[in-house]
Amino acid sequence: LAKTTQPISMDSYEGQEVNITCSHNNIATNDYITWYQQFPSQGPRFIIQGYKTKVTNEVASLFIPADRKSSTLSLPRVSLSDTAVYYCLVRSYIPTFGRGTSLIVHP
Amino acid sequence: DAGVIQSPRHEVTEMGQEVTLRCKPISGHNSLFWYRQTMMRGLELLIYFNNNVPIDDSGMPEDRFSAKMPNASFSTLKIQPSEPRDSAVYFCASSPDSLAGKQFFGPGTRLTVL
Repeated sequence: LAKTTQPISMDSYEGQEVNITCSHNNIATNDYITWYQQFPSQGPRFIIQGYKTKVTNEVASLFIPADRKSSTLSLPRVSLSDTAVYYCLVRSYIPTFGRGTSLIVHP
Repeated sequence: DAGVIQSPRHEVTEMGQEVTLRCKPISGHNSLFWYRQTMMRGLELLIYFNNNVPIDDSGMPEDRFSAKMPNASFSTLKIQPSEPRDSAVYFCASSPDSLAGKQFFGPGTRLTVL
């Protein structure tokens, strides 16, 4: 199973771009990379998914280098409401969320 | 679509009592997951069903925990007897993808065992 490693916490300020990197050295050929966001007292919510290169949607961008051993979630111009825990998940037989990255956005 | 529905939203019980948590997945989804979340251990997968069949229950902590999925629209997670260390938020999630690519989570059940 692909194991992911991401920072435990990050701090940022409103209006800044935030990049959260996840390492997944043992990713399998058919694995996708998925990111979730979780607010307090809520279940995780899907943000974005990708396989290689770059994926962008209305919420975020996901950058995946050619070797696919890491990925970076990019949140443009964060606001206070982006304060949450972000999970990197490598699609595999058994989903493993880990502890995620706690992002705190300051005024 | 109403999304994944869980009940109850909050449960307070005494040690030794039986607790049953319920989940209705999104219609048409063929995979269902039960998770437990605590501050100490984060978000842990307990069990995973595909087409109503339990595929992996290696995350179930011990024999006091059991889960069933009698049909495609209903699942239960039962704890008998409950213990204070079972206090946590229990999430149910469903996915249209058997390889668990994109999951849709319910609001969770906050369980407190006194």
